[in-house]
Amino acid sequence: SAVISQKPSRDICQRGTSLTIQCQVDSQVTMMFWYRQQPGQSLTLIATANQGSEATYESGFVIDKFPISRPNLTFSTLTVSNMSPEDSSIYLCSVEKTGNYGYTFGSGTRLTVV
Amino acid sequence: GENVEQHPSTLSVQEGDSAVIKCTYSDSASNYFPWYKQELGKRPQLIIDIRSNVGEKKDQRIAVTLNKTAKHFSLHITETQPEDSAVYFCAASTGGYQKVTFGTGTKLQVIP
Repeated sequence: SAVISQKPSRDICQRGTSLTIQCQVDSQVTMMFWYRQQPGQSLTLIATANQGSEATYESGFVIDKFPISRPNLTFSTLTVSNMSPEDSSIYLCSVEKTGNYGYTFGSGTRLTVV
Repeated sequence: GENVEQHPSTLSVQEGDSAVIKCTYSDSASNYFPWYKQELGKRPQLIIDIRSNVGEKKDQRIAVTLNKTAKHFSLHITETQPEDSAVYFCAASTGGYQKVTFGTGTKLQVIP
């Protein structure tokens, strides 16, 4: 399976600011997925990032709030923009490397907005 | 889109007993069903998965069953141990680089 490095691991941010989360994969992957996990909750998909095209956002998530970049096949960023306390959550990236359905997660970014 | 329901939300068992977690899905196109274990403060880890052409899969103390007709699948953990305590998520996907939809999670507590 792929090895994913995600950073930062945690951050405390002021409301109204933005935070960019990075995910680096140890090999080329076709799709990268960004999830949000609110405290005590399940994982909700924010968007799917394919290299060379615009990310595809799920219902309830918009590009202005969660812009995503995917400059190459091993790297992606998610920005949480104009943050409010409701954005406090864990954000995780995920990849499916092989086409054999083995999804791997990054270690997550624990974001607290104050 | 896909909707995955998971029950129970919490489950307490005595060490050595079995635990069963059940999930249903809505999209008949889903053909890949992974199960993840998430320990406190850690990332979800894939523990077992099953594809639609298989009815059952076993890996040591863990087994998963799938009923495509009824659109439900289950996780069975036998001889539970305290280290099995965690949150377990079922999920469904159409596979092949497609997104995974997660269930709501089951917090399993194994009492020594």
